[in-house]
Amino acid sequence: QSALTQPPSASGSPGQSVTISCTGSSSDVGGYNLVSWYQQHPGKAPKLMIYEVTKRPSGVPDRFSGSKSGNTASLTVSGLQAEDEADYYCSSYAGSNTLWVFGTGTKVTVL
Amino acid sequence: EVQLVESGGDLVQPGGSLRLSCAASGFTVSTNYMSWVRQAPGKGLEWVSVLYNGGNTYYADSVKGRFTISRDNSKNTLYLQMNSLRAEDTAVYYCARIRFLQWTGDYWGQGTLVTVSS
Repeated sequence: QSALTQPPSASGSPGQSVTISCTGSSSDVGGYNLVSWYQQHPGKAPKLMIYEVTKRPSGVPDRFSGSKSGNTASLTVSGLQAEDEADYYCSSYAGSNTLWVFGTGTKVTVL
Repeated sequence: EVQLVESGGDLVQPGGSLRLSCAASGFTVSTNYMSWVRQAPGKGLEWVSVLYNGGNTYYADSVKGRFTISRDNSKNTLYLQMNSLRAEDTAVYYCARIRFLQWTGDYWGQGTLVTVSS
């Protein structure tokens, strides 16, 4: 049950874009279109931002978008705003044995 | 409005036991997949356990045989019974509702802190 690999940090200036990668294997990210992304501010619960690779829940700004290629999923935050500064975690369904695996997390800093 | 409220976190000695609760409102626990996810201090999220609406339960290898997930339909509450606790179980424990077709946690509680230390 290895964690999905994310870069520890990413940053951008207000208005710019930042993209975070999430690398797994054919047993998780590459095998299913069931990748989600969560935003977590310090001391708060995770908040769902993207599900099924590209879909946004109601209320999530369209500045947040997701994609996937092979075993790597990506989250792009466009038009960075100060409130986007947070930790971001990907997750994926990982089959009937492992079920659910999370990424290592990426701290996004708005410069 | 959907709401999840965890409770039961505490300081416990290694080898001890603890039961966490997650009271749900705005939806019915028994008709949904429900999960526990934990986060050690300064670390990332780690899936712990899931309870399917049909009653099947699954666990991460790190807690298998020590933790038990269950629910009380009359109280619309999810539980996590934790036995033989270890220092590495120290974490904030979140309960989450799983949208099972999308395998995503769409609602999360605020978390409850479990500290295992002598």
